[in-house]
Amino acid sequence: AQSVTQPDIHITVSEGASLELRCNYSYGATPYLFWYVQSPGQGLQLLLKYFSGDTLVQGIKGFEAEFKRSQSSFNLRKPSVHWSDAAEYFCAVGPNNNDMRFGAGTRLTVKP
Amino acid sequence: EAQVTQNPRYLITVTGKKLTVTCSQNMNHEYMSWYRQDPGLGLRQIYYSMNVEVTDKGDVPEGYKVSRKEKRNFPLILESPSPNQTSLYFCASKRRGGGSNTGELFFGEGSRLTVL
Repeated sequence: AQSVTQPDIHITVSEGASLELRCNYSYGATPYLFWYVQSPGQGLQLLLKYFSGDTLVQGIKGFEAEFKRSQSSFNLRKPSVHWSDAAEYFCAVGPNNNDMRFGAGTRLTVKP
Repeated sequence: EAQVTQNPRYLITVTGKKLTVTCSQNMNHEYMSWYRQDPGLGLRQIYYSMNVEVTDKGDVPEGYKVSRKEKRNFPLILESPSPNQTSLYFCASKRRGGGSNTGELFFGEGSRLTVL
């Protein structure tokens, strides 16, 4: 069965600094991979997704993620964090988009 | 505006008192799903529905029921709530499809339920 691990429960970065959120997955075949963001009091919003093709995918709000099969990872990155990026981020994996498993989430705090 | 609407947003109830959390989407999506979010556990799927009158269990269906009589509505029913069902619940919908035909999941704003 597929599973997702987000090793970092909470990360704090300074505004303007770069960001990398880690995601490791377990799945027997080529996975479908997603990153979602949850702002306080809100539902989840899709940042980006990977199904096939180019392993570096671009998303909304200046985020990108890279699929590395050899490391079973799909880390999320942003070159310069803004205060509005403070939120909780969830990685998800599935055999398809109908059956996804979510990680436990990483809470991002942005220092001024 | 395309949206998924859940009600109530907040509810405090007592053990054993039946309750229903409604979910409605206006995007004509075939697929709808319920998740619960608990600290340290992320989102876990309770039930999902591929279309009208088609529902299936997710990872944590015990203690919950659902129905899908209309395309736009997917209510979550707790027949006899217990304190371990205290959680934040999310409804989501998307157009049906797998493989390369993958639609984005649209989430409601969540319903925070406390069972005393």
